[in-house]
Amino acid sequence: DAKTTQPPSMDCAEGRAANLPCNHSTISGNEYVYWYRQIHSQGPQYIIHGLKNNETNEMASLIITEDRKSSTLILPHATLRDTAVYYCIVRGSITDSNYQLIWGAGTKLIIKP
Amino acid sequence: DTEVTQTPKHLVMGMTNKKSLKCEQHMGHRAMYWYKQKAKKPPELMFVYSYEKLSINESVPSRFSPECPNSSLLNLHLHALQPEDSALYLCASSQELMGNQPQHFGDGTRLSIL
Repeated sequence: DAKTTQPPSMDCAEGRAANLPCNHSTISGNEYVYWYRQIHSQGPQYIIHGLKNNETNEMASLIITEDRKSSTLILPHATLRDTAVYYCIVRGSITDSNYQLIWGAGTKLIIKP
Repeated sequence: DTEVTQTPKHLVMGMTNKKSLKCEQHMGHRAMYWYKQKAKKPPELMFVYSYEKLSINESVPSRFSPECPNSSLLNLHLHALQPEDSALYLCASSQELMGNQPQHFGDGTRLSIL
């Protein structure tokens, strides 16, 4: 079962910051949060991941709440090419049987001109 | 551009055919994965290889047969598939199976079973 909850769809204006929320209220202390996106007809693209501290890279920023029950992915200046399905994923704990990515349903982000 | 290369990009086959999907990475990753993705659904894990040995088989039917000939290559052999096996098949790799480094995906093979 998915460990994350995301809104099914969101719109954002081109040039604005896109803020994508994710709830992971049952996350364990040693489980990482990963974000991927999938543009139509392509494979999933890794964006960013974190454990408890906020993270930033050339693509996005990841803000994780202090209690780690939710996080927000921020695309600072959205472009039309950022239109995609965004997946927030909690990686299974090392004590899980397979320690693998547990995918939710994702958020369809549409960037509008 | 992806650093995981999958071939072919598209494949149409009959239910009695035998075909293979290929995946290659040159990032020195020691874990490789096969996923199946149906339309409008997230990827579903099928197989995991770690150091060229099968580590995880997610109860996949035997008509799918994975093979890892070396640390850079991963194959998926297909035989006697059913129409419901039509999907996007994704390959991924990561540095290690148990670390927290991300998986990197190829663009997949879109498979259609007639």
